[in-house]
Formats: sequence, C-alpha cells, structure tokens
Amino acid sequence: RKEVEQDPGPFNVPEGATVAFNCTYSNSASQSFFWYRQDCRKEPKLLMSVYSSGNEDGRFTAQLNRASQYISLLIRDSKLSDSATYLCVVNSHNQGGKLIFGQGTELSVKP
Amino acid sequence: DTAVSQTPKYLVTQMGNDKSIKCEQNLGHDTMYWYKQDSKKFLKIMFSYNNKELIINETVPNRFSPKSPDKAHLNLHINSLELGDSAVYFCASSQEAVMNTEAFFGQGTRLTVV
Repeated sequence: RKEVEQDPGPFNVPEGATVAFNCTYSNSASQSFFWYRQDCRKEPKLLMSVYSSGNEDGRFTAQLNRASQYISLLIRDSKLSDSATYLCVVNSHNQGGKLIFGQGTELSVKP
Repeated sequence: DTAVSQTPKYLVTQMGNDKSIKCEQNLGHDTMYWYKQDSKKFLKIMFSYNNKELIINETVPNRFSPKSPDKAHLNLHINSLELGDSAVYFCASSQEAVMNTEAFFGQGTRLTVV
C-alpha cells in the first residue's frame, strides 16, 4: 500500500465547476499535511497547509479527518488557471520529517 | 531573488558517464532535500540533509552520492549513469526537518541518459 494515495485522474471539468480531490495516508503518526500544486514541467509549490479544524483560502477548502486518515481539497468556481496536478503531501516527524507525496491528481479546466 | 536554484536545468548524457547537479538556497534554511520525479510523475525523496548532516537516505543506489559543503548547498553526484536514471531531479529546502513547514523547490533538472 502506498503511504499517500490520491484519486486517480485526470479530472476534466468546465469553468465554474466545483471539484473535490481526496487523499488517504497510511501512517497514523503523520502530523503535518499539505496540498501542493505542480504545473506542467515546473516545480511543486505549496498551495495550502491542512489544519485539523479545516481551513479555507479563497476558492480552496482543505479538510483533514485524522480518524479516517483522510485529506480533501475542494475547489469552487474553477478557473482555467487552476489546471495543474494537485499533490497531497504528508510529513511524518517520526521519519525524519521528510515530505511524502501522493502520485498527484491532474486537473484540466476547460472553457 | 531565486530561493532554491539548481543547475543545470537540462542534462543529456551517455550511459556510464559521471555527472553532478548543483543546488543552492538563499532562504537560510537548515534542511535540504533531493527528490526524484519519474516518468509517472511520482515524487520520491532520495536524501535529506540537516545542517550538513545526512538524516535521510532512502533506498538509492550508491552510485548516487550527495554532498553538502555548507547548509546552503546540497549537490548530487551520480556515477556510472544508467538509462533508468532518466528523470527530473528536484532540490528542495525547508527550515527544520521536524516542523510543520513549507518546502521550497528548485526548478528541477531534467536528466536524460542515452
């Protein structure tokens, strides 16, 4: 079983749609959670951290369920510029603090 | 202004050669990483250094040898390159390995072994 697993992609949605990505992680000792975004042929960049109480940043909402070891990202009112690969990332401090990446979910927003 | 810079951006080389990729960060971070992204786009950690000390060494062939002359630099040397080494290699840095902290990535080095 992979340490971090994400929905298989790609997701093809029209502009204005709401899209949700799911992610599960296997290490119950994981303590920090993130969503990164990676554009084609570019480096990953932090989109947002994920906090236990859930958090929102504009059109983006992240949720964490520690009991189910589940993380989600909701994007409302999708824009063309949201097209990218979204990476679920977990930091397990008992593993030297390394970031463990999911395989990513590709999103394509069409006009 | 570049926070994490790595060179070269592209590297095409023949099997059996030895090559190095350099990485520098000007963020004052004390932890640096090397990640490999294969053709399936999966990002996997290779090494992590904290204050010049190796703290993570994943199952990577010993043909790969990281070197950290100071905490702002983490270079990757690869001996006897193989076809399967073709991938994008990303350098990254963060403030502390054990804190909830963002990692900043370099732009990647696209290595092609022919």
